[in-house]
Amino acid sequence: KAGVTQTPRYLIKTRGQQVTLSCSPISGHRSVSWYQQTPGQGLQFLFEYFSETQRNKGNFPGRFSGRQFSNSRSEMNVSTLELGDSALYLCASRDGRGLNTEAFFGQGTRLTVV
Amino acid sequence: QKEVEQNSGPLSVPEGAIASLNCTYSDRGSQSFFWYRQYSGKSPELIMFIYSNGDKEDGRFTAQLNKASQYVSLLIRDSQPSDSATYLCAVNVGNYQLIWGAGTKLIIKP
Repeated sequence: KAGVTQTPRYLIKTRGQQVTLSCSPISGHRSVSWYQQTPGQGLQFLFEYFSETQRNKGNFPGRFSGRQFSNSRSEMNVSTLELGDSALYLCASRDGRGLNTEAFFGQGTRLTVV
Repeated sequence: QKEVEQNSGPLSVPEGAIASLNCTYSDRGSQSFFWYRQYSGKSPELIMFIYSNGDKEDGRFTAQLNKASQYVSLLIRDSQPSDSATYLCAVNVGNYQLIWGAGTKLIIKP
């Protein structure tokens, strides 16, 4: 069974640009959550998508957006990049249909904004 | 505001000793609890989950849950240098959302 795949693994962007990150969940999983992690910090929750609908949302500005497709693949977009957006972006895949389902993480996309 | 609290550490433990990591949560309705390990520069990986009060053992790891006191702990027996990592506690609250603690950095000293 394939794991969670995030692309690209590394990305360098210039301030003001926009970026799109992709996450393919484990087959059969319908929930995809996105997290931002900066050095020494915990996981900051961005949003969760389940069956193409945003089910939960964190406290990030509107520059951060996402979507989920019918095959459960998800994309996250960050517009008007700022230096502070440099971070490891992780996506987590879950079955999502029960409370007792664990999350499986992809390898992450390391975004550097210069 | 539903919260999960962990001591950030670092927690330093001699090799071969028992490492004890604690996590408290605010939502009394929480039903499932997870421990993840994250090595520096890597993504978190699931170690254990626990749903019922009491202890759950898996090899050198034991998760303990006390819903009345709203805490969950992770014990690592016979600690090894390879156990040095940040340990994240996650709690499943309403609307299927996972709330994460900030993590405890564990250092196992040879």
